Amino acid sequence: GQQVMQIPQYQHVQEGEDFTTYCNSSTTLSNIQWYKQRPGGHPVFLIQLVKSGEVKKQKRLTFQFGEAKKNSSLHITATQTTDVGTYFCAGEIAGANSKLTFGKGITLSVRP
Amino acid sequence: NAGVMQNPRHLVRRRGQEARLRCSPMKGHSHVYWYRQLPEEGLKFMVYLQKENIIDESGMPKERFSAEFPKEGPSILRIQQVVRGDSAAYFCASSPVSGNEQYFGPGTRLTVT
Repeated sequence: GQQVMQIPQYQHVQEGEDFTTYCNSSTTLSNIQWYKQRPGGHPVFLIQLVKSGEVKKQKRLTFQFGEAKKNSSLHITATQTTDVGTYFCAGEIAGANSKLTFGKGITLSVRP
Repeated sequence: NAGVMQNPRHLVRRRGQEARLRCSPMKGHSHVYWYRQLPEEGLKFMVYLQKENIIDESGMPKERFSAEFPKEGPSILRIQQVVRGDSAAYFCASSPVSGNEQYFGPGTRLTVT
């Protein structure tokens, strides 16, 4: 079946370092969304990308949708301890009744 | 505007009992999604509902699990004859239209003893 992959599952960085993570789909997506979940919390929507090659920025976070609409990246500049959490990407396949397929997420820890 | 509400937040059931999880979507949202999350796992889609209709239940086990979203009242995820493997966090999300971002509730942590 359709899969959304996020590898690795964990990453540890020093505060102030940059961080980049990737999301890959086996199928072309109509859109991709990113969510953040803090430990013990619930997923919170961050961004949605729809167009091929689209780039969106939110303060220190930069999101990109690949040209083929099968992959995406999240880049955090100068990480802070508040960036700690699990980042999920979720892809929607065209015509799939708006069902989102979530990746397993990447858990980011930041050393102060 | 209150967010997505789920209750109970924690639910303990013995094997063989029934579990009922409730979800009230955000005001104005008519699309509801249920997900299951195991520790250190992603969110696994279970079912997508609109008012009085099940749109996609491809992620829901055929037996023991059912979901509804009546015209009035919250959406209900029902698990009959629970087993230990049903222990997980169950999240509900809502959106105003299909394809938009989803707003998640705080989840119900189900523990089966």
